[in-house]
Amino acid sequence: QVQLVESGGGVVQPGRSLRLSCAASGFTFSTYGMHWVRQAPGKGLEWVAVISYDGSNEYYGDSVKGRFTISRDNSKNTLYLQMNSLRAEDTAVYYCAKGRMTLDYWGQGTLVTVSS
Amino acid sequence: QSALTQPASVSGSPGQSITISCTGTSSDVGGYKYVSWYQQHPGKAPKLMIYEVSNRPSGVSNRFSGSKSGNTASLTISGLQAEDEADYYCSSYATSSTLFGGGTKLTVL
Repeated sequence: QVQLVESGGGVVQPGRSLRLSCAASGFTFSTYGMHWVRQAPGKGLEWVAVISYDGSNEYYGDSVKGRFTISRDNSKNTLYLQMNSLRAEDTAVYYCAKGRMTLDYWGQGTLVTVSS
Repeated sequence: QSALTQPASVSGSPGQSITISCTGTSSDVGGYKYVSWYQQHPGKAPKLMIYEVSNRPSGVSNRFSGSKSGNTASLTISGLQAEDEADYYCSSYATSSTLFGGGTKLTVL
C-alpha cells in the first residue's frame, strides 16, 4: 500500500533553515509528480510546491517562491523541501502528497514551528 | 494564485443531502477537468474523495458525488451520516500551480 512518511519538522528560529523529507513506498516513486502542501494551525490547506516525476520541472506558491526548494532523489524514493529564510508565517503542518494533477495519497504531516 | 471560494460552513441532518460549492475562474476550475475534493477530520491528513470533477476513488462511498458547471464545481453528499462531519476542501489544477479552496466545515446536526 502507498505510504508517505514526512520527517524533519521541529522548532526553528526566524531566518534559519530546515529541510523536510518524505519517504515514499508502495508505488513506483520515479513515475509520479509529488507535492508539498501546508496547513497553518486552525487554517486551511495551502499549496507549497510541486515537482515532476523526473525532477525536471518545479513550481512554487507565491508565498514561498525564492525561499523554498523542492527536490527528489528517485534512487532513494525520497522527496525533499529545503526551507530557507523561515518566517513566523511558515509555521504549519507540512504534508507531502503523491500525484501531479490529483493528490491521491497524503502523508501524516510534520509540524514546523518558526519561533524565537 | 488566488484561492478558490467555498462556503465557510454547511450543515444538514442525518439522511439529508448537502452540496458544497467551489468557485474559481476560467484559468483553473473552468479550464480543466482536474478538480478534486478532499475530506479532513480533525488531526488527520486530507483524504481524496473525488477526482477529475466527478470520479470516486476505490473505497469512497457512492454517497459522495461531484460535478462542475462553468467556473463552479460542487460536491454533493447524500444520506448524511455522522462520520461525514469534517472539513472539505476543493482543489484545482492551474497552469504551474495547484489551488485549494478555503475549506468548508460540514456539521451533521
